[in-house]
Amino acid sequence: GEDVEQSLFLSVREGDSSVINCTYTDSSSTYLYWYKQEPGAGLQLLTYIFSNMDMKQDQRLTVLLNKKDKHLSLRIADTQTGDSAIYFCAGGDSGYALNFGKGTSLLVTP
Amino acid sequence: NAGVMQNPRHLVRRRGQEARLRCSPVKGHSHVYWYRQLPEEGLKFMVYLQKENIIDESGMPKERFSAEFPKEGPSILRIQQVVRGDSAAYFCASSPPTRSDYGYTFGSGTRLTVV
Repeated sequence: GEDVEQSLFLSVREGDSSVINCTYTDSSSTYLYWYKQEPGAGLQLLTYIFSNMDMKQDQRLTVLLNKKDKHLSLRIADTQTGDSAIYFCAGGDSGYALNFGKGTSLLVTP
Repeated sequence: NAGVMQNPRHLVRRRGQEARLRCSPVKGHSHVYWYRQLPEEGLKFMVYLQKENIIDESGMPKERFSAEFPKEGPSILRIQQVVRGDSAAYFCASSPPTRSDYGYTFGSGTRLTVV
């Protein structure tokens, strides 16, 4: 299986940018995902990137993929208090079992 | 268009009792996946089912855990003789027959507490 590592905690001020980092071990991951989990809720798919891409932008979200270093990042521009949540990086090959990191708790302060 | 529905949201069981967790997939989805999230951990894959078939149960503990997805009705994850270490959030996800690679649709989870 794949190991997915994330930093556990990040605190930013409202209006600043947040960058959440993730490293993975399995270079066969075809798809890489970012999920958001609010307290007591399920996982919401935020965005994904194919392994043959190096960047994807979707409104306030920018995903960067460095395949050589097996490093994935999620940048949230103009972070709002509603962005406070746990963010999970996950990887999967053409199969079906996703490998999740432990999650990064993002705290946005006014 | 309802998403993945899981019930109950919270379940408390005494050690030794049975826990039954239910998952109704998105309408039209015939593939169901169960994941477990232990406290302060990421989600771990448990089992992948299609209607009336277990496709991959490599993530299921060898004993006490079973899953089914009958032709009619929800998918059920069953834990017999629960122990404190079974306390976790159990998430179900579903996908359509032609599997999307854009990630699954997850339910809100069932939080099992064993006392």
